[in-house]
Amino acid sequence: GDSVTQMEGPVTLSEEAFLTINCTYTATGYPSLFWYVQYPGEGLQLLLKATKADDKGSNKGFEATYRKETTSFHLEKGSVQVSDSAVYFCALSDRGSNYQLIWGAGTKLIIKP
Amino acid sequence: EPEVTQTPSHQVTQMGQEVILRCVPISNHLYFYWYRQILGQKVEFLVSFYNNEISEKSEIFDDQFSVERPDGSNFTLKIRSTKLEDSAMYFCASNSQKETQYFGPGTRLLVL
Repeated sequence: GDSVTQMEGPVTLSEEAFLTINCTYTATGYPSLFWYVQYPGEGLQLLLKATKADDKGSNKGFEATYRKETTSFHLEKGSVQVSDSAVYFCALSDRGSNYQLIWGAGTKLIIKP
Repeated sequence: EPEVTQTPSHQVTQMGQEVILRCVPISNHLYFYWYRQILGQKVEFLVSFYNNEISEKSEIFDDQFSVERPDGSNFTLKIRSTKLEDSAMYFCASNSQKETQYFGPGTRLLVL
Protein backbone atom coordinates (compact mmCIF):
# COMPACT_ATOMS: atom_id res chain seq x y z
CA GLY A 1 0.00 0.00 0.00
CA ASP A 2 0.90 3.66 -0.10
CA SER A 3 3.34 4.95 2.50
CA VAL A 4 5.36 8.01 3.49
CA THR A 5 8.75 8.01 5.16
CA GLN A 6 10.19 11.06 6.85
CA MET A 7 13.51 11.70 8.48
CA GLU A 8 13.40 11.18 12.20
CA GLY A 9 13.67 14.08 14.56
CA PRO A 10 14.10 16.08 16.47
CA VAL A 11 16.01 18.36 14.17
CA THR A 12 17.72 21.16 16.07
CA LEU A 13 19.05 24.19 14.22
CA SER A 14 20.17 27.69 15.01
CA GLU A 15 18.20 30.67 13.77
CA GLU A 16 18.97 31.58 10.13
CA ALA A 17 20.26 28.09 9.35
CA PHE A 18 19.23 26.19 6.22
CA LEU A 19 16.58 23.54 6.72
CA THR A 20 15.97 20.30 4.89
CA ILE A 21 13.48 17.69 6.06
CA ASN A 22 13.51 14.61 3.86
CA CYS A 23 10.35 12.87 2.73
CA THR A 24 10.01 9.93 0.37
CA TYR A 25 6.89 8.07 -0.65
CA THR A 26 5.59 4.94 -2.27
CA ALA A 27 2.31 5.03 -4.14
CA THR A 28 0.52 2.96 -6.71
CA GLY A 29 -0.80 5.91 -8.67
CA TYR A 30 0.05 9.56 -9.09
CA PRO A 31 -0.38 11.08 -5.67
CA SER A 32 -0.72 14.63 -4.53
CA LEU A 33 1.88 15.50 -1.91
CA PHE A 34 1.51 17.73 1.11
CA TRP A 35 3.40 19.22 3.99
CA TYR A 36 1.36 19.99 7.10
CA VAL A 37 2.67 21.80 10.16
CA GLN A 38 1.57 21.42 13.77
CA TYR A 39 2.62 24.20 16.11
CA PRO A 40 2.75 23.39 19.83
CA GLY A 41 -0.74 22.84 21.21
CA GLU A 42 -2.43 23.47 17.87
CA GLY A 43 -4.01 21.50 15.05
CA LEU A 44 -2.76 20.54 11.61
CA GLN A 45 -2.25 23.34 9.11
CA LEU A 46 -1.54 22.90 5.45
CA LEU A 47 1.86 24.38 4.71
CA LEU A 48 2.21 23.60 1.02
CA LYS A 49 1.29 21.06 -1.61
CA ALA A 50 2.13 19.79 -5.10
CA THR A 51 -0.17 17.80 -7.30
CA LYS A 52 2.05 16.57 -10.12
CA ALA A 53 5.65 15.80 -10.97
CA ASP A 54 8.06 18.76 -11.01
CA ASP A 55 5.53 21.03 -9.28
CA LYS A 56 7.01 23.18 -6.55
CA GLY A 57 4.89 24.06 -3.56
CA SER A 58 5.86 27.11 -1.53
CA ASN A 59 4.59 29.07 1.43
CA LYS A 60 6.09 31.23 4.21
CA GLY A 61 9.59 30.74 2.79
CA PHE A 62 9.26 26.94 2.72
CA GLU A 63 9.53 25.03 -0.55
CA ALA A 64 9.20 21.45 -1.70
CA THR A 65 9.51 20.00 -5.20
CA TYR A 66 7.63 16.89 -6.32
CA ARG A 67 10.34 14.57 -7.68
CA LYS A 68 8.79 11.56 -9.35
CA GLU A 69 12.11 10.02 -10.35
CA THR A 70 13.29 9.88 -6.74
CA THR A 71 9.77 9.64 -5.21
CA SER A 72 10.65 12.51 -2.91
CA PHE A 73 9.14 15.73 -1.61
CA HIS A 74 11.81 17.24 0.62
CA LEU A 75 10.95 20.36 2.60
CA GLU A 76 13.44 23.23 2.53
CA LYS A 77 13.80 26.72 3.93
CA GLY A 78 16.73 29.00 3.42
CA SER A 79 16.73 30.75 6.79
CA VAL A 80 14.70 29.39 9.69
CA GLN A 81 13.27 31.39 12.57
CA VAL A 82 12.46 30.48 16.14
CA SER A 83 8.77 30.72 15.19
CA ASP A 84 9.25 27.81 12.75
CA SER A 85 9.63 25.44 15.69
CA ALA A 86 6.89 22.85 15.18
CA VAL A 87 6.24 19.32 13.99
CA TYR A 88 6.20 18.90 10.22
CA PHE A 89 4.25 16.11 8.55
CA CYS A 90 4.65 14.89 5.00
CA ALA A 91 1.53 13.27 3.56
CA LEU A 92 0.12 11.94 0.31
CA SER A 93 -3.29 11.45 -1.13
CA ASP A 94 -4.14 9.44 -4.16
CA ARG A 95 -6.82 7.48 -5.90
CA GLY A 96 -5.30 4.19 -4.82
CA SER A 97 -5.88 5.09 -1.18
CA ASN A 98 -9.30 6.53 -1.96
CA TYR A 99 -7.94 10.01 -1.29
CA GLN A 100 -7.45 9.49 2.42
CA LEU A 101 -4.28 11.16 3.63
CA ILE A 102 -1.37 8.82 4.30
CA TRP A 103 0.99 10.39 6.80
CA GLY A 104 4.65 10.32 7.62
CA ALA A 105 5.66 10.02 11.27
CA GLY A 106 6.34 13.73 11.62
CA THR A 107 9.61 15.55 12.24
CA LYS A 108 9.97 17.82 15.22
CA LEU A 109 11.94 20.95 14.41
CA ILE A 110 13.56 22.98 17.18
CA ILE A 111 15.07 26.34 16.31
CA LYS A 112 17.37 27.92 18.89
CA PRO A 113 17.95 31.68 18.96
CA GLU B 1 -11.53 32.63 5.64
CA PRO B 2 -13.83 29.66 6.33
CA GLU B 3 -12.47 27.04 8.69
CA VAL B 4 -13.32 23.70 10.20
CA THR B 5 -14.33 23.90 13.85
CA GLN B 6 -14.38 21.18 16.48
CA THR B 7 -15.92 20.88 19.92
CA PRO B 8 -15.03 20.28 22.63
CA SER B 9 -11.35 21.17 22.56
CA HIS B 10 -10.71 18.78 25.46
CA GLN B 11 -12.74 15.88 26.82
CA VAL B 12 -12.00 13.69 29.82
CA THR B 13 -14.09 10.57 30.27
CA GLN B 14 -14.16 7.34 32.20
CA MET B 15 -13.42 4.05 30.49
CA GLY B 16 -16.60 2.48 29.16
CA GLN B 17 -18.41 5.77 28.69
CA GLU B 18 -19.73 7.06 25.39
CA VAL B 19 -18.29 10.22 23.87
CA ILE B 20 -19.41 12.30 20.93
CA LEU B 21 -16.93 14.54 19.18
CA ARG B 22 -18.38 17.28 17.07
CA CYS B 23 -17.16 18.96 13.92
CA VAL B 24 -18.52 21.67 11.69
CA PRO B 25 -16.88 21.29 8.26
CA ILE B 26 -16.46 24.12 5.79
CA SER B 27 -19.92 24.83 4.46
CA ASN B 28 -19.53 24.02 0.76
CA HIS B 29 -17.39 20.92 1.29
CA LEU B 30 -18.76 17.50 0.44
CA TYR B 31 -16.20 15.06 1.85
CA PHE B 32 -15.57 14.67 5.56
CA TYR B 33 -12.90 12.80 7.47
CA TRP B 34 -11.83 11.81 10.94
CA TYR B 35 -8.21 11.17 11.87
CA ARG B 36 -6.59 10.53 15.19
CA GLN B 37 -3.13 11.08 16.61
CA ILE B 38 -2.06 9.19 19.68
CA LEU B 39 0.42 11.28 21.65
CA GLY B 40 3.83 11.23 20.00
CA GLN B 41 2.69 8.99 17.16
CA LYS B 42 1.69 9.23 13.53
CA VAL B 43 -1.61 10.69 12.37
CA GLU B 44 -3.95 7.83 11.44
CA PHE B 45 -6.95 7.81 9.14
CA LEU B 46 -10.19 6.63 10.71
CA VAL B 47 -13.01 7.21 8.27
CA SER B 48 -14.21 9.22 5.31
CA PHE B 49 -17.82 10.21 4.65
CA TYR B 50 -19.58 11.37 1.53
CA ASN B 51 -23.19 11.69 0.48
CA ASN B 52 -24.42 10.64 3.91
CA GLU B 53 -22.52 7.40 4.06
CA ILE B 54 -19.11 6.05 4.93
CA SER B 55 -16.93 5.84 1.83
CA GLU B 56 -13.83 4.37 3.46
CA LYS B 57 -12.79 3.24 6.91
CA SER B 58 -9.61 1.92 8.45
CA GLU B 59 -9.04 -1.13 10.64
CA ILE B 60 -9.09 1.17 13.66
CA PHE B 61 -12.69 2.14 12.93
CA ASP B 62 -14.36 -0.86 14.51
CA ASP B 63 -17.89 -1.34 15.80
CA GLN B 64 -17.24 0.97 18.73
CA PHE B 65 -17.02 3.91 16.34
CA SER B 66 -19.74 5.56 14.32
CA VAL B 67 -20.14 8.76 12.37
CA GLU B 68 -23.17 10.80 11.57
CA ARG B 69 -24.18 13.97 9.84
CA PRO B 70 -27.30 14.74 11.86
CA ASP B 71 -28.06 18.02 10.12
CA GLY B 72 -26.68 20.17 7.34
CA SER B 73 -23.70 21.44 9.29
CA ASN B 74 -22.48 19.01 11.96
CA PHE B 75 -20.39 15.89 11.50
CA THR B 76 -19.97 13.75 14.58
CA LEU B 77 -17.76 10.88 15.71
CA LYS B 78 -19.19 8.67 18.44
CA ILE B 79 -17.18 6.20 20.48
CA ARG B 80 -19.68 3.92 22.22
CA SER B 81 -17.59 2.44 25.00
CA THR B 82 -14.26 4.18 25.37
CA LYS B 83 -11.06 2.31 26.12
CA LEU B 84 -7.82 3.64 27.56
CA GLU B 85 -6.17 3.30 24.16
CA ASP B 86 -8.74 5.67 22.61
CA SER B 87 -6.93 8.53 24.31
CA ALA B 88 -5.69 10.67 21.46
CA MET B 89 -6.14 13.88 19.55
CA TYR B 90 -9.02 13.55 17.09
CA PHE B 91 -9.00 15.70 13.99
CA CYS B 92 -11.88 16.38 11.65
CA ALA B 93 -11.16 17.43 8.06
CA SER B 94 -13.19 18.35 5.01
CA ASN B 95 -12.67 19.05 1.36
CA SER B 96 -14.39 19.49 -1.94
CA GLN B 97 -13.79 17.43 -5.05
CA LYS B 98 -11.01 15.35 -3.51
CA GLU B 99 -8.75 18.36 -3.13
CA THR B 100 -6.75 19.60 -0.17
CA GLN B 101 -8.16 18.56 3.18
CA TYR B 102 -8.63 21.31 5.72
CA PHE B 103 -8.34 20.36 9.35
CA GLY B 104 -10.01 21.50 12.50
CA PRO B 105 -8.02 22.30 15.65
CA GLY B 106 -8.70 18.87 17.12
CA THR B 107 -10.30 17.44 20.25
CA ARG B 108 -7.99 16.02 22.86
CA LEU B 109 -9.68 12.96 24.39
CA LEU B 110 -8.38 11.49 27.61
CA VAL B 111 -9.87 8.20 28.82
CA LEU B 112 -9.26 7.39 32.47
